[in-house]
Amino acid sequence: QKEVEQNSGPLSVPEGAIASLNCTYSDRVSQSFFWYRQYSGKSPELIMSIYSNGDKEDGRFTAQLNKASQYVSLLIRDSQPSDSATYLCAVISLNPGAGSYQLTFGKGTKLSVIP
Amino acid sequence: DGGITQSPKYLFRKEGQNVTLSCEQNLNHDAMYWYRQDPGQGLRLIYYSQIVNDFQKGDIAEGYSVSREKKESFPLTVTSAQKNPTAFYLCASSNAGSYNEQFFGPGTRLTVL
Repeated sequence: QKEVEQNSGPLSVPEGAIASLNCTYSDRVSQSFFWYRQYSGKSPELIMSIYSNGDKEDGRFTAQLNKASQYVSLLIRDSQPSDSATYLCAVISLNPGAGSYQLTFGKGTKLSVIP
Repeated sequence: DGGITQSPKYLFRKEGQNVTLSCEQNLNHDAMYWYRQDPGQGLRLIYYSQIVNDFQKGDIAEGYSVSREKKESFPLTVTSAQKNPTAFYLCASSNAGSYNEQFFGPGTRLTVL
């Protein structure tokens, strides 16, 4: 059973600080990694994707991937109250039985940015 | 205006009834997916379809059925055999392949009375 683990939080940071969200995954051959943001009562919104080791920056967001450690993280710089949401880590792995790729989600980390 | 639509937004069902949730996309994506989300839980895959007229069971397919007669549409039926159907149902779509991002519709919240 492929697993994606996240600290459920809540993670509280003051406005303007850096929020650091972490995720580990069990399948060594996972190929693609995503971060989704989900506001309460809404559907997930894709905010970052990363496919190779290292850092990927997009505005205030930086995704970091370390395949050797099976670890992916999301940094949010200059955190704003509007960033308060649950952040879902998702990993694509091959399902050999079905011959297709499946996305496995962590349970999410709830982030609260305090004004 | 490209996107994924789901209807209805809220659905109430009596025990023993089958209900069908609609999902339509105009993104020209080959693959479509149904997930279920329970409070405080991650998303769990119910069914997915890579091409028209073909679909596969996900991790929690029991009590659900799907069809994929058109590329744009992937309806989900929640049958009376589903023991605990109250949940938030999310439809997603993507291009096929291991690098392609999934995008979600707004969801349907199903409550069994």
